[in-house]
Amino acid sequence: KAGVTQTPRYLIKTRGQQVTLSCSPISGHRSVSWYQQTPGQGLQFLFEYFSETQRNKGNFPGRFSGRQFSNSRSEMNVSTLELGDSALYLCASSLELREQYFGPGTRLTVT
Amino acid sequence: QKEVEQNSGPLSVPEGAIASLNCTYSDRVSQSFFWYRQYSGKSPELIMSIYSNGDKEDGRFTAQLNKASQYVSLLIRDSQPSDSATYLCAVETSGSRLTFGEGTQLTVNP
Repeated sequence: KAGVTQTPRYLIKTRGQQVTLSCSPISGHRSVSWYQQTPGQGLQFLFEYFSETQRNKGNFPGRFSGRQFSNSRSEMNVSTLELGDSALYLCASSLELREQYFGPGTRLTVT
Repeated sequence: QKEVEQNSGPLSVPEGAIASLNCTYSDRVSQSFFWYRQYSGKSPELIMSIYSNGDKEDGRFTAQLNKASQYVSLLIRDSQPSDSATYLCAVETSGSRLTFGEGTQLTVNP
């Protein structure tokens, strides 16, 4: 069974721009969660989607948003990028509220 | 107090030894606990999950959970250089959210 896939793998953006990241979960998994990983803050929860509904949200500003499609694929969007948004963005999928499996991540650099 | 705390690293053990990684959490209602391994430049990989008090063994890995003490640990027996990585403790808090510790960097010396 194929794992979680994320695109793109690397991205360089300029301050003020916006970015959209994509995640395809493991086949059959309906829950998709997004996390941000930085050296200073570690792994932090952004939000979780299940059956196209946001079920849980972390403590991030409204510039961070997401959505999930009927095929469980998910996207997250960051608007008005700041230097501090440079991070590894990780998507994880799960079958139910149990084990979460991470994709390879998208490395975002904001200049 | 941090929601999830791991023993400070880095931790260095000789090849063949037992590596012990510890984690405490603050939310008493948490029911699900996980250990992830993350190699440098890679994403976290799930290696163990535990939901009930006691021990759970999988190959060279043993996870231990004590909900009364709000403590979870991971033992790696017969440590190998390939086990050198950062180990992340994760606790399921507030439904589907995973809260992670800062990680413990483990080095296994040949």
